[in-house]
Amino acid sequence: QVQLVQSGAEVKKPGSSVKVSCKASGGTFSSYTITWVRQAPGQGLQWMGRIIPILGIVNYAQKLQGRITINADTSTRTAYMELSSLRSDDTAVYYCARGLDSASLHWGQGTLVTVSS
Amino acid sequence: QSVLTQPPSASGTPGQRVTISCSGSNSNIGSNTVNWYQQLPGTAPKLLIQKNNQRPSGVPDRFSGSKSGTSASLAISGLQSEDEADYYCAAWDDSLNGQVFGTGTKVTVL
Repeated sequence: QVQLVQSGAEVKKPGSSVKVSCKASGGTFSSYTITWVRQAPGQGLQWMGRIIPILGIVNYAQKLQGRITINADTSTRTAYMELSSLRSDDTAVYYCARGLDSASLHWGQGTLVTVSS
Repeated sequence: QSVLTQPPSASGTPGQRVTISCSGSNSNIGSNTVNWYQQLPGTAPKLLIQKNNQRPSGVPDRFSGSKSGTSASLAISGLQSEDEADYYCAAWDDSLNGQVFGTGTKVTVL
């Protein structure tokens, strides 16, 4: 049974960085795509980026290029998403998800990141 | 700003059929498969339909998906109260080299 467990809620100051982790258990890790999606309060889903560990492929949303870094540690089956130069509009619930191609079957519980001075 | 356009809301009475549209372009729906997600209030999204019309294990056959050209649709037949949720389409976009989500549709069971 695949499970994704994310790190806990964060409160950050504008201009700082946040790093969210996503630990996978069950099933294989490297051959699947790990996708990061965020959802601002009352808003829709926004794709942030993805990593395919076995292929070493990483793609980022154009709007976040330069501020986002996604990587994965296959030895600990953990993926990470770091977002820098945080602004108030980065306040959102951040999700990791695992799947094949662009279809994400398994999702983490979500991590609330609040950016506030 | 979402690249895929959905109606903001849809509704129906129990037992009715509801259809949600998702309009895109040649670079996304026109070139790649479409997935649909259901998001219940306060929970993570759930994959409902993958590769245009395939239901993952455990998804009731009341849910069906289709695609034609640069548009896709999700149909819910035999609407039930537990279907009240937000629904999102998604597809890879070759021009953006990234995935795009639809604007989302809130389904209300009257």
